[in-house]
Amino acid sequence: EIVLTQSPGTLSLSPGERATLSCRASQSVRNSYLAWYQQRPGQAPRLLIYDASSRATGIPDRFSGSGSGTDFTLTISRLEPEDFAVYYCQQYDGSPPFTFGQGTKLEIK
Amino acid sequence: QGQLEESGGGVVQPGKSLRLSCAASGFIFNTYGMHWVRQAPGKGLEWVAAISHDGGNTEYLDSVKGRFTISRDNSKNTLYLQMSSLRGDDTALYFCATSSSWYDAFDIWGRGTVVTVSA
Repeated sequence: EIVLTQSPGTLSLSPGERATLSCRASQSVRNSYLAWYQQRPGQAPRLLIYDASSRATGIPDRFSGSGSGTDFTLTISRLEPEDFAVYYCQQYDGSPPFTFGQGTKLEIK
Repeated sequence: QGQLEESGGGVVQPGKSLRLSCAASGFIFNTYGMHWVRQAPGKGLEWVAAISHDGGNTEYLDSVKGRFTISRDNSKNTLYLQMSSLRGDDTALYFCATSSSWYDAFDIWGRGTVVTVSA
C-alpha cells in the first residue's frame, strides 16, 4: 500500500500570495498517477489535477501540478478568496487501495 | 455534465446492515468504473471500494472486506454499497465517484450520504 504524506498540515496565506503544497509517497507512484482534489466546507471533493500535472476541465490556470516518483507539488500562483479550502492528493496506480493523503488546510492569514 | 446522487444513509445500530445507492446521469454509466469513498466526521478522505465498468472486477479496503459489497445495475444507471456488520468506525459521509478506469482520477463526485452507526 502506498502511503501519501502531505505537508504542511495547515498553510496560512493571504489572497494574492503563492501557495505550495507537498505530497510525498512511501514508494514510487507509477506513471505519475497522482491527483489533487479541492474540498470546500460542506462540499464534495473536486478534481483539480490528474496525472500529476494535467489540469482537469474548467480548472483555472493558476493551479498547477508537478513532480514524479515520490515527490509531488500543487502550486496555486495567486490565491483567490475561493481557493481557501482543504486539498488532498491521491494515487491511482491501478493497485487498490487508492490512497489519499491526510490533507492540507489552506486558510486565510 | 455528469451527475451522481447518493441515497440510503441513516442511523443504524452496530451489527446491522444498510444499503447505499448512487444514481448516475449525464454520462454513459456502463463505460465508467465506480468507487465509494468515505469521510469520517472532521477527517480526511478514505477510499472504500471500487467496481469495474461491467461489474466483473471489485476491490475493497481491507477493513471492509467481508462486510461490504459493491455492485452496480447498468440497466438502471445505479451503483450500490451493501454494508453489513456495521461498526462505529464506519460512521462517515459516503461519496460515490467515477473514474474512466482504475488508472484514472476520480472526476465526478456526488454530494454524499451520511451513515451514522450508533446504539
